[in-house]
Amino acid sequence: GAGVSQTPSNKVTEKGKYVELRCDPISGHTALYWYRQSLGQGPEFLIYFQGTGAADDSGLPNDRFFAVRPEGSVSTLKIQRTERGDSAVYLCASSLQGAEGYTFGSGTRLTVV
Amino acid sequence: DAKTTQPTSMDCAEGRAANLPCNHSTISGNEYVYWYRQIHSQGPQYIIHGLKNNETNEMASLIITEDRKSSTLILPHATLRDTAVYYCIAFDRGSTLGRLYFGRGTQLTVWP
Repeated sequence: GAGVSQTPSNKVTEKGKYVELRCDPISGHTALYWYRQSLGQGPEFLIYFQGTGAADDSGLPNDRFFAVRPEGSVSTLKIQRTERGDSAVYLCASSLQGAEGYTFGSGTRLTVV
Repeated sequence: DAKTTQPTSMDCAEGRAANLPCNHSTISGNEYVYWYRQIHSQGPQYIIHGLKNNETNEMASLIITEDRKSSTLILPHATLRDTAVYYCIAFDRGSTLGRLYFGRGTQLTVWP
C-alpha cells in the first residue's frame, strides 16, 4: 500500500485481557519499528525488526510484551495480561533507508479499563 | 545517541517564518540532526536532516552551527497546517540499531 497501515485504530480492553495490534508496513521495507506514545510524551522505542528477526527488543517494558514478524512483512505486537498503564498510542514505522526513510502509521490507541 | 533540548512551546503568526531551536551540545561526529513533526492524531513525519552543512528541501531549512552544538529548523512561511509538535533528534546513521529518541519536542502553534 501507499503507507503504513495499523489496525485497529482504537482498541478498548479490560484489565487482564490479551490484545494484538497489527502493522502492515510499506511494501519492500525491510525495517519495521514499534513505538509507544503516552499522553504529552514523545514516542518511545519498543522493538526493531530487520526482516523477520528482532534486531533490537530492548525497549519492550517487560515480558508481557511480545512482537512477531514471521514473513518479514506484517508485524503483530502482542500484550498479555494488560494493565491500565499500558494505555497509550502504539505506533508502527517502516524504513528502507535509515531514519529519513521512516514512515509512521497513524497508530493504535489502546485503552485499558 | 546524544540528548537534544528544545523549548516546550512556541507560536508564530501565519505567513511568518517559524524558527525552532534545538541544542545538542554532546552530539558526536557520526550523528546527524533529524527533524520530525507530529500533527495531532497522526504519526510523526520526517522533515529534514543534516550533518554539518545547511540543508533545504520543499518543507523546511535546517541551519546547523559550525560547532554542531545547536541547530534551527526554519519554516519560511508558516501556515495553520504547520501547527504540530516538532522533534529534533540526533541519530547515528551508521548504527545497526534503528531507534530514534524523540524527547518531548516543541509544540508549535501557528495562529491566523
